[in-house]
Formats: sequence, structure tokens, C-alpha cells
Amino acid sequence: GDSVTQTEGPVTVSESESLIINCTYSATSIAYPNLFWYVRYPGEGLQLLLKVITAGQKGSSRGFEATYNKETTSFHLQKASVQESDSAVYYCALGENTGANTGKLTFGHGTILRVHP
Amino acid sequence: EAAVTQSPRNKVTVTGGNVTLSCRQTNSHNYMYWYRQDTGHGLRLIHYSYGAGNLQIGDVPDGYKATRTTQEDFFLLLELASPSQTSLYFCASSASWGGQNTLYFGAGTRLSVL
Repeated sequence: GDSVTQTEGPVTVSESESLIINCTYSATSIAYPNLFWYVRYPGEGLQLLLKVITAGQKGSSRGFEATYNKETTSFHLQKASVQESDSAVYYCALGENTGANTGKLTFGHGTILRVHP
Repeated sequence: EAAVTQSPRNKVTVTGGNVTLSCRQTNSHNYMYWYRQDTGHGLRLIHYSYGAGNLQIGDVPDGYKATRTTQEDFFLLLELASPSQTSLYFCASSASWGGQNTLYFGAGTRLSVL
């Protein structure tokens, strides 16, 4: 089946340092998957951070970016300079796109990010 | 802004107990979902619905029932709770179903089955 593997957490960085959270996927049943990063801040539900539906494209939001690499089946999340407010749980997800409003999301286990001031 | 509200936020019950988790969305979305998350696992889909009275089975449905009474309300029922159902439960909604659409999540319900 389809699966998503991401960096084991917690990941601890200092404010203003750079960040990368790795995400690789296996899409055995999906020819052209869509890729997402969701984030969950303390006490809140998950919310969409960014998504990319075309291989080779980059998505960006709130200073984060991720590039859909079909050759390496990766969708790593990066940020050049993190802030304490970025402390959260980050989820990589893989979605089907059959073009007919069908499909499901397969989530990674989530990566806890802790940013120290 | 999309809004999904779950209740209760925390619940403790005993093995064999009866539990109902509630979810209400004010987004006018057709699709609603129940997920569970456990340490070391991603979110796993329990049940979902694409409208009032509709119910679809997800990936981990055993031990759970669900009911969509209105477009806004989706309930998850555990009629004989077991310790294996101790988990963090998320409800979500989306305008349409699929791997291309944004899901809007509630803040979660933490359930402990003793």
C-alpha cells in the first residue's frame, strides 16, 4: 500500500537556525500523487501548511517550502530561519488524485518540532 | 474561516463503556471524517461521510460506528470501548472528497479507556 515516512522527532533547533524535516513516500497505487504538509500547533487541530500537486513544483507558506521530487519520491520541508512560534507537529501526507473527487490521504506519523529561543 | 468543533476535548471511560464523540462543522462542507492518531502512527481514517445519512468505511473501522445526522454533525460511537481504542481522535471536513482538497480539522478529543 501507500505510505509516508518522515523524520523521527522530536527535532530541537534554536531560533534563527535552519530546519529540514524529511519526508519520503511510496505511492504504489497512485500514478500522480498530491503532496501536503499539515501542521498542528499546541491545543489546535491540524491545518494545511502547503500542498503541491505537480511533480517538480515547489510550494511555500509562512517561510516554509517543499519541493515535490518524483525521482527521489521526496517532499522535504525546509525553512531558512525558524522562530519559536514554529514549534508544532508537522505531518507529511500523500493524496490520490483521480480527477473525479475521489481519493484519500495517507499521513506520516508527524514530527514534533521544538524551537528554543 | 472554516470551523470544526469537537466535544468533549477529553474523555475517560472504562473497558466496556459506551462513548460518543461529537463533531460539528460550520463550513457547509459535504465531507466529514473521523481519524485516530496513535504514537508512531500517522492519522488513520476510521469512517467518513459525504452527506447527511451517508456513511463510508475507512481503513480502521473495527469497533467503531458513526452517524451523520445533518450536514453539520458527525458522531463517532464506541459501544464497547476497549483499551486499544485509547487514542487522540480528530474530526475533519472538506468541501469535496479527495487527495487534492484541503481538510479542516477540529482540535481533537483525547480518549482514555481504562
